Amino acid sequence: GENVEQHPSTLSVQEGDSAVIKCTYSDSASNYFPWYKQELGKGPQLIIDIRSNVGEKKDQRIAVTLNKTAKHFSLHITETQPEDSAVYFCAGNTGKLIFGQGTTLQVKP
Amino acid sequence: DGGITQSPKYLFRKEGQNVTLSCEQNLNHDAMYWYRQDPGQGLRLIYYSQIVNDFQKGDIAEGYSVSREKKESFPLTVTSAQKNPTAFYLCASSLQWTGHTEAFFGQGTRLTVV
Repeated sequence: GENVEQHPSTLSVQEGDSAVIKCTYSDSASNYFPWYKQELGKGPQLIIDIRSNVGEKKDQRIAVTLNKTAKHFSLHITETQPEDSAVYFCAGNTGKLIFGQGTTLQVKP
Repeated sequence: DGGITQSPKYLFRKEGQNVTLSCEQNLNHDAMYWYRQDPGQGLRLIYYSQIVNDFQKGDIAEGYSVSREKKESFPLTVTSAQKNPTAFYLCASSLQWTGHTEAFFGQGTRLTVV
């Protein structure tokens, strides 16, 4: 079955800097890769996703890149703000969503 | 408002008791899922349902049971066979079982064994 590895587990950046979170997946049949943001005590919310026929997708300060050959995808957040502080999860999807272990992002003012 | 609702938000269980967590959605979604989240860990899949009256085990189904008698509802029962049930439980739904559609999550139920 699908296995998703996510790094780093924690990330601390200064406000205004960029943050990058990386994930690798094992199942070449995975064709949809969402990223979720989870605030304390709440359920995860989708922030961006990418399908396997696309190499990159941007939405304002957030971008995701996908390398199907290497089976890895990354989340890029530019001009980070304190409200970006949260836990971020990547996932692979062959029908059921399999999540990475999560990255706790801290943006220092 | 359309969405996915979990209840209760907090639940306390005595050892040896079964408890049922509720999950209801009014999004007309076919697929529903239950995940367990432990501190510092990712979301692990317990059970999923592709369509009403059908469900399959996920990666950590032992000690749990589900039903899907209605499209809107996917309750999770944590049985006494689950040895370490204290965790944050998340329910999700998606429009289809094709793997291309966004999954929406509820706000979670925090279960504590006392």
